[in-house]
Parts: sequence; C-alpha cells; structure tokens
Amino acid sequence: GAGVSQSPRYKVAKRGQDVALRCDPISGHVSLFWYQQALGQGPEFLTYFQNEAQLDKSGLPSDRFFAERPEGSVSTLKIQRTQQEDSAVYLCASSLRVGTGELFFGEGSRLTVL
Amino acid sequence: QQQVKQSPQSLIVQKGGISIINCAYENTAFDYFPWYQQFPGKGPALLIAIRPDVSEKKEGRFTISFNKSAKQFSLHIMDSQPGDSATYFCAASISGGGGNKLTFGTGTQLKVEL
Repeated sequence: GAGVSQSPRYKVAKRGQDVALRCDPISGHVSLFWYQQALGQGPEFLTYFQNEAQLDKSGLPSDRFFAERPEGSVSTLKIQRTQQEDSAVYLCASSLRVGTGELFFGEGSRLTVL
Repeated sequence: QQQVKQSPQSLIVQKGGISIINCAYENTAFDYFPWYQQFPGKGPALLIAIRPDVSEKKEGRFTISFNKSAKQFSLHIMDSQPGDSATYFCAASISGGGGNKLTFGTGTQLKVEL
C-alpha cells in the first residue's frame, strides 16, 4: 500500500477484554515500531521489530501487552485484560532502513476502555 | 524521566508571523533530531530533521537551529499560514543497529490566526 495502514481505527472495549490491533507497514520496510499516544501527549515508544525479530520491547508497560510480526510484514499488538489506563491512540510506524531514517506513521488505532 | 523537553505547550501566531518552538535534550548520545507535524486524527509526519554536525537546516519556510553545547534545538516557521495550525513534536534518537527509536517531546499546539 501507499502508506502504513492500521485497523481498527477505533475500538471500544470493556475493562477486562482482550484487544488486537493490526499494522500493515509500507511494503519492504524492515523496521516497525509501536507507539502509545495518550491524549495531549507525545508518542511513547512501546516496541521495535527488525523484520520478524522483536529487538526492543522495553517500552511495553506490562506483561498484558504483547506484539508480534511473524513473517516480517504485518504486525499485531495485543492487549490482554484491558484496563482504563490503556485508553490511548496506538501508533504504528515503519522505516525502510535499520538504525536511521524517517519513520512513516499510520493514522493510529484509538482504544477506549470503559 | 523526560529526556526531551519541549516548549511552549501552545502557541498562537498571526498569519505571516514567525512561529518558534524550542526543545532541550539530556542524552548526549542522541544524533538525530527530527520535527514531526500532526493534524487531528492523523499520525505524525516528518517535517524536517537535523544531525548534530550542522547548526542549521532550512527547508522552505521551516528551519531547525541546533546548539550542541547547550543541548537545545528549535523549529522556526517563517511566514506562518493557517494551514500550519497543527501539533508539532520534536524528537531525538540514536542511530545504529538498535533501531532509530524516537523519543518525543510533549508537543506544541500551534494556531495561526488570520
């Protein structure tokens, strides 16, 4: 596709439900990032993939958060037993090269936990 | 720990005026400093970026000034237009095999009035 595609764009979950957010990066992009953006704040790093390898997951806030990119393209961010504090926009970004260069962001998935 | 501090939080500028947003960083290992522009409901998009080997970079109406010794950098928008009204984020990263993981500032909401 022409850009980074994320789905769903909006998700409402009841507290305790599991959610899965999908990211389809730009074709051929090696690096893939997930960020969490709370209302009125800057994006905060969650995790990073180089192809299918998850090289950095230092930003995941708890073990309820899990991300995968099994074939080195599409990635899924899963949040188990959602809590109200998980409400945020989850942004996916991809980059052509490793270690440097522009990150291209998707429009994000807005998660609201009731 | 906030590694990139951004100010002001909001800014109102008259059409044709100069918008100035400032950022300061703490980690001297940072070697890539981009500015991202974000419109409501959209993901951040790269505006302009600089590396510490130069003190200024200009692209059209947008200029980054960089002061390595003070660990500060700023974005200047010349001849500001209503279409520039958006949220601007400074960011910083360390190039290398660990991925170009961006650390973002908290954002500046710019409004350009007619």
